[in-house]
This record gives sequence, structure tokens and C-alpha cells, in this order.
Amino acid sequence: KQEVTQIPAALSVPEGENLVLNCSFTDSAIYNLQWFRQDPGKGLTSLLLIQSSQREQTSGRLNASLDKSSGRSTLYIAASQPGDSATYLCAVNTGTASKLTFGTGTRLQVTL
Amino acid sequence: GAVVSQHPSWVICKSGTSVKIECRSLDFQATTMFWYRQFPKQSLMLMATSNEGSKATYEQGVEKDKFLINHASLTLSTLTVTSAHPEDSSFYICSASSRGRQETQYFGPGTRLLVL
Repeated sequence: KQEVTQIPAALSVPEGENLVLNCSFTDSAIYNLQWFRQDPGKGLTSLLLIQSSQREQTSGRLNASLDKSSGRSTLYIAASQPGDSATYLCAVNTGTASKLTFGTGTRLQVTL
Repeated sequence: GAVVSQHPSWVICKSGTSVKIECRSLDFQATTMFWYRQFPKQSLMLMATSNEGSKATYEQGVEKDKFLINHASLTLSTLTVTSAHPEDSSFYICSASSRGRQETQYFGPGTRLLVL
């Protein structure tokens, strides 16, 4: 059974800092991995999707990497802003009926 | 494109009543829809997967007689929480994928259910 863990569970940084969020998964036989953002009481916003054959994806200040063999992914946020404050979730798609297994999430707070 | 809506966005009901939540794909045909539940400060847990025109497949531990899922058309799936109890209070989120892009799920905004 696939298990997805995110470290740290919570993070508070001052504005302008670069930061890294970590995601690890137990079964490396994945189809793809996705990073989402969730604001309090809201649904999910997809940030980046990395196919199993890719090593990284970039969108603006965000960069996600994938090391499938070691079961790890990182989300790098450059020059953090207060508007980045949210919970970040990673999810792996094992390809079985396209089911997503979500991580435990990292609650990020960027302070002024 | 690829917008998924949910209705209602929040609902409060009395214990013992049934609540229906709708999930619609607005601009694409959703061959597969997924229903998730999220308790406070926890991650999303998949409840069931439904394909248009067929019975839903429930995850282990999810009561199919309590959480009725109907996916009667390519743009609409419904989740009915039958005889709701306070422990069913949660945030319910649906997602949808299309035949041509099954690896991508588009998420709805969620429905917050509070059972008194």
C-alpha cells in the first residue's frame, strides 16, 4: 500500500526566503506526482505535475523535482511571499485507475 | 477550461437526515469522478471512484450503503450521505478526469458538511 509523507508538517518563514518542502513515498512504481496548494476551507489548486519519466518541472517561482528510485520529491519556492501561505499537498498517482494518494501536507506561513 | 463545480458549498443538517452533494464538470466530459473526504487538519482520503454508467468502486472501510454515489451522466456525479451523523461532518471534495487525460484530475471547490 502506497504511503506518502510530507516533512515538515508546518513551516513559518519570513518573506523573501527560499524554502523547500519534502515529500516521500513508499512505492516507487508511480505514474506521476503532483503538488497542490490548498487555502483554508477551500479546494485544491494544482501547481505542478511531474511524470514518472521526468526529473523536474518549473512554474514561475516554483520548482518541483522527482527522484523516483529513492521515493522522494521536493517543492522549491523561491523568494517566498505572504500570498504563498497555504497548505501544500503532494499526491502520487500509481496508475491503478488513476487513483491519487495524498501526503499529510505542509502548512506554510510566510510572515512580513 | 477543465472546471469542476460542487453544490452546495456548505450544508448544515440534523442528525438522521440525508444530504446530497453534486459534482459537475462544466466544460469537459468526465468519464471518471472521484470523491474524497478531508477531516480538519488531515489530508484527503479517497472514498470512491465512479465511472459513468457503472457502479462506484469504494475504498476499504467506506460504507457503500451510507455513501451513495451516482454517476449517471458524463458531467454529473452525486454523493448522498444517508442518515448522517455528527461523525460524518467533514469536507467533501470531488475530482474528475476525462477519457483523453485520465492521469489528470480536476478538483472541485469542496463541500463542507456539518451534522448537528
